[in-house]
Amino acid sequence: SQTIHQWPATLVQPVGSPLSLECTVEGTSNPNLYWYRQAAGRGLQLLFYSIGIDQISSEVPQNLSASRPQDRQFILSSKKLLLSDSGFYLCAWSVSGRANVLTFGAGSRLTVL
Amino acid sequence: GEDVEQSLFLSVREGDSSVINCTYTDSSSTYLYWYKQEPGAGLQLLTYIFSNMDMKQDQRLTVLLNKKDKHLSLRIADTQTGDSAIYFCAESMLSGNNDMRFGAGTRLTVKP
Repeated sequence: SQTIHQWPATLVQPVGSPLSLECTVEGTSNPNLYWYRQAAGRGLQLLFYSIGIDQISSEVPQNLSASRPQDRQFILSSKKLLLSDSGFYLCAWSVSGRANVLTFGAGSRLTVL
Repeated sequence: GEDVEQSLFLSVREGDSSVINCTYTDSSSTYLYWYKQEPGAGLQLLTYIFSNMDMKQDQRLTVLLNKKDKHLSLRIADTQTGDSAIYFCAESMLSGNNDMRFGAGTRLTVKP
């Protein structure tokens, strides 16, 4: 069966520090991978999606970047965090052709102080 | 404004039915989804409906789609305290890998 792991679950970082959130998927090959951010009282905002290794599209201009060094690994990074980067970050995967159903990780809550 | 709109809050008593409503703007949406998010967790797919369907039922869940009015609803029968969560409506056209749009979520509170 397929599983998705996301870590760390909780992170408190000072402004200006770097960030690395990692997501891995098991049990499937060549998944579509996504990073979403969820702000309180708002829907999910798609940040990045990837259809393959080193193939990443950015949906919104921002202070964050994403990388996919391996087929089932997706990393969200920042060189210098801003206060506005605080939020709940969700990784997800899907398989093309399956009704575009997303399977989400448990999320990473980032607080920037 | 949002492409997908939902009320932010709904409160019901245990045992009653809950109806969560959603409106969307894109008439070419192919699939419509309901996801559930429990506190501090990721989203879990509850059900989805293809746009050529009017209704889909799965145990206590009933999804109704009014394509003319672009209105989607999720009915939870015999609501339990464990149903308390945020419910997200989403739409997708399957035109690409980045076209899924989510509503802001409806926080369902079930009172004993």
